[in-house]
Amino acid sequence: EAQVTQNPRYLITVTGKKLTVTCSQNMNHEYMSWYRQDPGLGLRQIYYSMNVEVTDKGDVPEGYKVSRKEKRNFPLILESPSPNQTSLYFCASSFSRGPYEQYFGPGTRLTVT
Amino acid sequence: DAKTTQPPSMDCAEGRAANLPCNHSTISGNEYVYWYRQIHSQGPQYIIHGLKNNETNEMASLIITEDRKSSTLILPHATLRDTAVYYCIVSPNFGNEKLTFGTGTRLTIIP
Repeated sequence: EAQVTQNPRYLITVTGKKLTVTCSQNMNHEYMSWYRQDPGLGLRQIYYSMNVEVTDKGDVPEGYKVSRKEKRNFPLILESPSPNQTSLYFCASSFSRGPYEQYFGPGTRLTVT
Repeated sequence: DAKTTQPPSMDCAEGRAANLPCNHSTISGNEYVYWYRQIHSQGPQYIIHGLKNNETNEMASLIITEDRKSSTLILPHATLRDTAVYYCIVSPNFGNEKLTFGTGTRLTIIP
C-alpha cells in the first residue's frame, strides 16, 4: 500500500531535549516536505526537499533541522524544543516538477512542556 | 502564489450534492487549482486538481470558470464521511515546493 508513515504519532517532551520525528514514504517520490498545523493558522511549511541531499526552508524553519540522505526518509529534528513548537506535524511527499498530488502522513502530535 | 477565498462553513444534507465554492481572482496562467480535505486532525487528503478544463474523478468534480477566477468542488452524493475541512489551493505547475493552505471550508453533512 502506498503510504507516508510518521513516528512517533504522539510525543510529550520537555524543553531542550533533542528529538527526531521520522518520515518515510514507499512511493519513490522525489519531493518531501514537513508542515506544522496550529489552530487558526492552518498548515505552514517548515522545510522541503526536492531530492536526496537537496533541502530548503519553507515558511517557518526556525528551530528545526532536516536531512535527506535517502530518497524514502526525511526526518525532522528539533535540537532544542521549546513550548512554541507544540503543534501537529505532517510529512508529505509527491513526485516533483508537475501538478502531482501530495500524500500526507497521519501526523505527529508534539507537546513540549 | 494566488490567494483563495472560501466560505468558512457550509452544511449539506446527506445524499445531496455538496457544492463548495472558491474564489481565486489573482490566479496566473501557470497555476493549477487543487482541492484537499482534512478529516478531524488526520493528514490532508488530495481530492482533485485542474488547470482550466472541468475535471472528474471517483471522489468529486471540479468546475473552473472560463476566466479561471473561481471554481466549485462538487461532491455528488455527500455522505457523513465527507464531513471535513475542504481546502482550495492554487499552485504553479512547475513544482511542488509548497501548498499554501488557508483556513478552508468546514463542510458538515447532516443526516
